[in-house]
Amino acid sequence: AAGVIQSPRHLIKEKRETATLKCYPIPRHDTVYWYQQGPGQDPQFLISFYEKMQSDKGSIPDRFSAQQFSDYHSELNMSSLELGDSALYFCASSLGWGLAGLAKNIQYFGAGTRLSVL
Amino acid sequence: DAKTTQPPSMDCAEGRAANLPCNHSTISGNEYVYWYRQIHSQGPQYIIHGLKNNETNEMASLIITEDRKSSTLILPHATLRDTAVYYCIVAYTDKLIFGTGTRLQVFP
Repeated sequence: AAGVIQSPRHLIKEKRETATLKCYPIPRHDTVYWYQQGPGQDPQFLISFYEKMQSDKGSIPDRFSAQQFSDYHSELNMSSLELGDSALYFCASSLGWGLAGLAKNIQYFGAGTRLSVL
Repeated sequence: DAKTTQPPSMDCAEGRAANLPCNHSTISGNEYVYWYRQIHSQGPQYIIHGLKNNETNEMASLIITEDRKSSTLILPHATLRDTAVYYCIVAYTDKLIFGTGTRLQVFP
C-alpha cells in the first residue's frame, strides 16, 4: 500500500539558509500534519492542514511556514535556519477527521527528513 | 488534551506478552486513547485506538478501564522487532501530543 512520502530524506544546510521539505500524503488523505523531533526528544506538533486550509498550529517558529496544495501535498518552508533547527521532521496524513468514523484521526507517518544545520 | 503518564522503560522476554500501562486520569468524555510506537528514529507507527470499549487488532489489544482513567496496551507475543518507544496519547482534536512514552526492550 502507498505510504506517506517525504523528500528529501536528508538535508544539510548552513546557518541563515532556507530549506523546503516536501510531503506527499497517502492517496485520498486530505489532512497533513508536520512534527519536529529534536535529538533525544519526542515528536512535537508544528502545524496541520485540512483541505488546503490550516487547521491547527503548535509551537512552530515564525521563521517557518507551510502550505497544502491542490493535490494535497504539503511543503514546510524554513528560513533563517538556526543550529537548533537540526532535527527530524515528520509528515503524517489522515482522512479528514470527523468523516472517517472509527478511522478518525489515525495518522500515518512518513520516514522523515533529517535536517542538519551547520 | 489530557496528559498521560507512562513508565519510562520496560523489559519483556521474547514470546511473552508485553503489557504497557498508561494513566490518563484527566481524560474527558470525548477523547480517544491512541497508541503509537517509534522504532529507532523511524516515523511513528499507529498501533490501536479506543474510546470506551476494549479493542483488538492484528497488532495488539487495548484494555480501557471502566472509568477510562487508565489503559493497557497488550502485545500478546512480543518479538525483538517490537523493541521501540511506545506512546499513549489521548486526544479529541487532530493533533497528537506526544509525551515521553515507554521504552520497551524485548530480549531473547
